[in-house]
Amino acid sequence: EVQLVESGGGLVQPGGSLRLSCAASGFTFGSYWMHWVRQAPGKGLVWVSRINSAGSITGYADSVKGRFTISRDNAKNTLYLQMNSLRAEDTAVYYCANYYYDSSGYYYGLGYWGQGTLVTVSS
Amino acid sequence: QSALTQPRSVSGSPGQSVTISCTGTSSDVGGYNYVSWYQQHPGKAPKLMIYDVSKRPSGVPDRFSGSKSGNTASLTISGLQAEDEADYYCCSYAASWEVFGGGTKLTVL
Repeated sequence: EVQLVESGGGLVQPGGSLRLSCAASGFTFGSYWMHWVRQAPGKGLVWVSRINSAGSITGYADSVKGRFTISRDNAKNTLYLQMNSLRAEDTAVYYCANYYYDSSGYYYGLGYWGQGTLVTVSS
Repeated sequence: QSALTQPRSVSGSPGQSVTISCTGTSSDVGGYNYVSWYQQHPGKAPKLMIYDVSKRPSGVPDRFSGSKSGNTASLTISGLQAEDEADYYCCSYAASWEVFGGGTKLTVL
């Protein structure tokens, strides 16, 4: 069974930094793209970033480009999101997720999600 | 990277069908057959309902179906049930990013 467990959220002041982690189990972590998606309180889902299986290709939403860095450690089955220069509008629950897959391969739909970790940016 | 456009709310009675639209551009929805749909109940993580425009993951009832025409994708839920009341989000893959819609609240009357 696929399990994704996020950690590292908390309260941080504007301009501060935070690193989120996502521990993965139940699947071959090093074979799949991974994503971060966030949801501000009472608002909709917003895609944040993705990284390929090898960690060599990344993509970011314009709203976080230059401030956030996605990375992964396949030996530790862990995904990371380094968040710098945080702003009040970054306040959200951050989910890690990966593409749905079956025996034929993976598909461009986020089939597995963690429970999320809350990041609050406030003074 | 503008959010896809969804109606803010839709409603229907039990047993009826509802359709939720999702409009993007030729750079996302219109450019790829990689639209997905998610159901989210309050306080829960999203659940994948449709991927690749019209395919259902294992375990998703066939009451849920998806389609696409040009830059607009649609999710249709037939035989509405009380447990279908939730927020629904579309999402499109694009070459260098992915983008969600603003979400649609489905109310089962």
